[in-house]
Amino acid sequence: DGGITQSPKYLFRKEGQNVTLSCEQNLNHDAMYWYRQDPGQGLRLIYYSQIVNDFQKGDIAEGYSVSREKKESFPLTVTSAQKNPTAFYLCASSISRENLGYTFGSGTRLTVV
Amino acid sequence: QKEVEQDPGPLSVPEGAIVSLNCTYSNSAFQYFMWYRQYSRKGPELLMYTYSSGNKEDGRFTAQVDKSSKYISLFIRDSQPSDSATYLCAMSALRASGTSYGKLTFGQGTILTVHP
Repeated sequence: DGGITQSPKYLFRKEGQNVTLSCEQNLNHDAMYWYRQDPGQGLRLIYYSQIVNDFQKGDIAEGYSVSREKKESFPLTVTSAQKNPTAFYLCASSISRENLGYTFGSGTRLTVV
Repeated sequence: QKEVEQDPGPLSVPEGAIVSLNCTYSNSAFQYFMWYRQYSRKGPELLMYTYSSGNKEDGRFTAQVDKSSKYISLFIRDSQPSDSATYLCAMSALRASGTSYGKLTFGQGTILTVHP
């Protein structure tokens, strides 16, 4: 079955540590996105990538980094510079950036302890 | 002021009720409107999308857009307990060619509970 896989589902991190969230898709989609979801805030765009080896900052990129070395993979690193990292992180993909039919993964719940 | 405002609820209705979910927006460049449904601890899934003002029906769901008032709604008829979820509106501006800029702006989401 085609889809997006995010792992792990739950992640705990000590304050001051970097952590990397995985996102893999087998839909052959060019564009991939990372969103953060907080209660009462909706989805906010962190980073997006239209093509391999290219990515752009979204609305709340500070404290995050990404890479896009393969079409299928778009990992997100939450660095110690991110002031409030506890959140639900969602990865999405679409056929191209112009196509807004996003497919979302099931998300990763990150908790900083 | 947020570009998209959505009442977070929570909204609780009895089974069989008609549900109205609403979003307002301030950016007149928004031309493409979508509704997503998100079950607890899952990613959002696309319910409906529309480009134009007016109504669009899909089974028990009707999406309504009023561009003059910058207001969109999602109506759910004969609501079921399985409709209990968070509903997110999303929208995007379009280029003159009709293609998007590739960025969706989401509302805050409305939590809906349909009780038997």
